[in-house]
Amino acid sequence: KAGVTQTPRYLIKTRGQQVTLSCSPISGHRSVSWYQQTPGQGLQFLFEYFSETQRNKGNFPGRFSGRQFSNSRSEMNVSTLELGDSALYLCASSWTGSEEQYFGPGTRLTVT
Amino acid sequence: DAKTTQPPSMDCAEGRAANLPCNHSTISGNEYVYWYRQIHSQGPQYIIHGLKNNETNEMASLIITEDRKSSTLILPHATLRDTAVYYCIVRRGGGYQKVTFGIGTKLQVIP
Repeated sequence: KAGVTQTPRYLIKTRGQQVTLSCSPISGHRSVSWYQQTPGQGLQFLFEYFSETQRNKGNFPGRFSGRQFSNSRSEMNVSTLELGDSALYLCASSWTGSEEQYFGPGTRLTVT
Repeated sequence: DAKTTQPPSMDCAEGRAANLPCNHSTISGNEYVYWYRQIHSQGPQYIIHGLKNNETNEMASLIITEDRKSSTLILPHATLRDTAVYYCIVRRGGGYQKVTFGIGTKLQVIP
C-alpha cells in the first residue's frame, strides 16, 4: 500500500506570495492533519480534516488555510508569506483521526 | 490533551538497549501514550502505543507505570539507524483531537 505523499517536496517563495501544498493520504484514510515543523518550535499542529470538514485547528493565523476533497486528498494554503513561514510542512493521515497517524515526507518551504 | 516531558538528548551504545523516558503526570484515564520517531529530514514514523498495559511490537517495547504518570520506550538492541528524535505524546482514544508534539528526545546511537 502506498504511503502518504506530499507535493512538491521543496519550494522557494518570496515574501508576500502565496503557496499551495498538496497531500495524498494512504488509501482508505479519511483523516488528514497538517503540521508545521521549525527548529525552534518543533512540530506544531495546524489543522485536521475529516470527510471534507475541518474538525480541529491549531493556533495559527488566518493566512493558513486548508481544504479536503471528496477523495480525501488535502491541500493547505498560506497567503501573504512571511520569512517566519519557512519550515517543513508535514501531512499525516489515519483512518478516522483517533488512531496512529502516518506521516508523509513533508514539503520544505523556504521564504526569501 | 495532557502534556509530556522528555529529556532533550540521550546517547546509547550500538547493540545496547536504549531506554527513553517520558513523563505525563496529567494523563487522563482515557488517554493513550504514543511514541513516534523522526529520522533526519523525514516525516515522523509511528512506533508503538499503549493505554496501561505494557506493549511490544517488532520495533520496540513500551513500559507504562502502574499510575500511568510515566512511560519508557525500549529499543532492545539499538543500531545506528535508530539515531533519531523520539516523540512521546498522549491523546484520547476514540473521537478526534488535535495532536501535540513536543521537542522530543534526540537519541544518538554511538558505534
